[in-house]
Amino acid sequence: EPEVTQTPSHQVTQMGQEVILRCVPISNHLYFYWYRQILGQKVEFLVSFYNNEISEKSEIFDDQFSVERPDGSNFTLKIRSTKLEDSAMYFCASTHSEKWPQHFGDGTRLSIL
Amino acid sequence: GIQVEQSPPDLILQEGANSTLRCNFSDSVNNLQWFHQNPWGQLINLFYIPSGTKQNGRLSATTVATERYSLLYISSSQTTDSGVYFCAQGGSEKLVFGKGTKLTVNP
Repeated sequence: EPEVTQTPSHQVTQMGQEVILRCVPISNHLYFYWYRQILGQKVEFLVSFYNNEISEKSEIFDDQFSVERPDGSNFTLKIRSTKLEDSAMYFCASTHSEKWPQHFGDGTRLSIL
Repeated sequence: GIQVEQSPPDLILQEGANSTLRCNFSDSVNNLQWFHQNPWGQLINLFYIPSGTKQNGRLSATTVATERYSLLYISSSQTTDSGVYFCAQGGSEKLVFGKGTKLTVNP
């Protein structure tokens, strides 16, 4: 069964540095998402992306964050000038034209030191 | 906005026991998914169940959309079932997750 692939599985970064989290969605999917889960808390929506533009974003997704689909397969989340509170598990998800269900990757655990 | 509430927050079982987890959701537009988060943090999709009943092995789920709740049944629980179970309701663009039920299955 096709999978959403995320790399790296764990990223350790110094506070203030930029980090890029990478995702390869399922190949025929059209909608892409990023979610965040701070340790011990629930999963929260960050942003949705369709047709090369953001379709919805949450209050969490401020100017520090950006998303990009640089080619036909990758979907990236960039966090500029990371803060300690950015430490979390970041999940990428994708769906086909039906939009549901969303298919999740295994996540990237981001640790900011 | 969409509200999703799960109960109980914590559940401890002996191996072999059965359990029922509940998810109440606020919105009439429902695209409900159940997930299991394993100890490594991976989110495993269990069911997409906007209505009706589905079964997959020892797990089954029922959603009654008109009454805005969903139930996840785990039968003959195993230690590998331990983890956090999340339900999430899909709105126009995003999934809204509940806080989860932390299940511990003891041998």
